[in-house]
Amino acid sequence: GENVEQHPSTLSVQEGDSAVIKCTYSDSASNYFPWYKQELGKRPQLIIDIRSNVGEKKDQRIAVTLNKTAKHFSLHITETQPEDSAVYFCAASQNTGNQFYFGTGTSLTVIP
Amino acid sequence: EPEVTQTPSHQVTQMGQEVILRCVPISNHLYFYWYRQILGQKVEFLVSFYNNEISEKSEIFDDQFSVERPDGSNFTLKIRSTKLEDSAMYFCASRTGLLYSGNTIYFGEGSWLTVV
Repeated sequence: GENVEQHPSTLSVQEGDSAVIKCTYSDSASNYFPWYKQELGKRPQLIIDIRSNVGEKKDQRIAVTLNKTAKHFSLHITETQPEDSAVYFCAASQNTGNQFYFGTGTSLTVIP
Repeated sequence: EPEVTQTPSHQVTQMGQEVILRCVPISNHLYFYWYRQILGQKVEFLVSFYNNEISEKSEIFDDQFSVERPDGSNFTLKIRSTKLEDSAMYFCASRTGLLYSGNTIYFGEGSWLTVV
């Protein structure tokens, strides 16, 4: 099955700086890669996703890049704000598959 | 915006007791899931359900777990004889299932289960 690894497990940045979280996956058949943000005690919420026919996707301060050859994808948050502090999970799945495989999560702290 | 809803939000149960967690997926969704998150750890897949049957399950989903969709709207997870290690947040999720679109899964708010 798919194995998703995520780094770093914790990340602290100063407000206004950029944050980058990286994930690798093992199954070349995976073709859908969402990122979820989870605030303490709340549900994971989708913040951005990318499909394998796209190399990069951007939504305001958030961007995701995908390198299919190397089997890795990254989340980039620019101009970080304290409200960006949360745990971020990457995931991988296949269009025809059922299961979403999650990374181990990155706890991001933005220091005001 | 439609949401996945779950009840109860928090349940405390004695070890060995049966627990039923309830979920109402988003109405036009076809795939339903249960995930589990032990405190401070990652979200773990338990089971997926499609067309009124289990389509995939993880090794965590052993004989003490079962799922059903009794009335076309609710999707339930039953734990027959709870163990201490079942203490976790249980998330229900759903997705449309359409190929190449709408593949995102949407999570409910979670049911926090504490086994004592």
